Amino acid sequence: GAVVSQHPSWVICKSGTSVKIECRSLDFQATTMFWYRQFPKQSLMLMATSNEGSKATYEQGVEKDKFLINHASLTLSTLTVTSAHPEDSSFYICSAQRTGRDTGELFFGEGSRLTVL
Amino acid sequence: KQEVTQIPAALSVPEGENLVLNCSFTDSAIYNLQWFRQDPGKGLTSLLLIQSSQREQTSGRLNASLDKSSGRSTLYIAASQPGDSATYLCAPGTDKLIFGTGTRLQVFP
Repeated sequence: GAVVSQHPSWVICKSGTSVKIECRSLDFQATTMFWYRQFPKQSLMLMATSNEGSKATYEQGVEKDKFLINHASLTLSTLTVTSAHPEDSSFYICSAQRTGRDTGELFFGEGSRLTVL
Repeated sequence: KQEVTQIPAALSVPEGENLVLNCSFTDSAIYNLQWFRQDPGKGLTSLLLIQSSQREQTSGRLNASLDKSSGRSTLYIAASQPGDSATYLCAPGTDKLIFGTGTRLQVFP
């Protein structure tokens, strides 16, 4: 099966700092990647759609200047939480859609848990 | 806007039971529908993918059906085991996946 890797799997940072989370498709190319956020005991909320070589599309209510997304290659997308605050503490999960496949199946990373002190 | 509801929200059963997890969605213009499981603090594992033209998919003890016109999908788990304990999420797909609220399943020995 297709493998999606996220790094780091967990991170603790001080309020006001920026944190970058990487999402890599290890054995396939992904034109499109998605970033989700999940609060405890809640479902996944789509934050943005990341397209290789173009600007990300953000969902309503998600601050694009707060959550910077870069999809520089067909195997890597990054999410940077800028000037993080405690309310940004959450579980962030990425997913990737295999390029050239019409099935639309998505594969998910293991998630990154961010704790802002 | 797609809205996805899963029933029941939680389920606790003894092992060996056959289970039915329900998913309903408001926008039937979907390409496919995926079922996932999520273990606590982990990412998502894809269980089954049903294309919009299909009625069902099977993988081992799992069977998922799709009635696109009525906006419903059902996941059947046969002969449940303690290892099946997890949260099960359905996600009807258009150009992006929108997730349901999930069903938290606990199977006890």
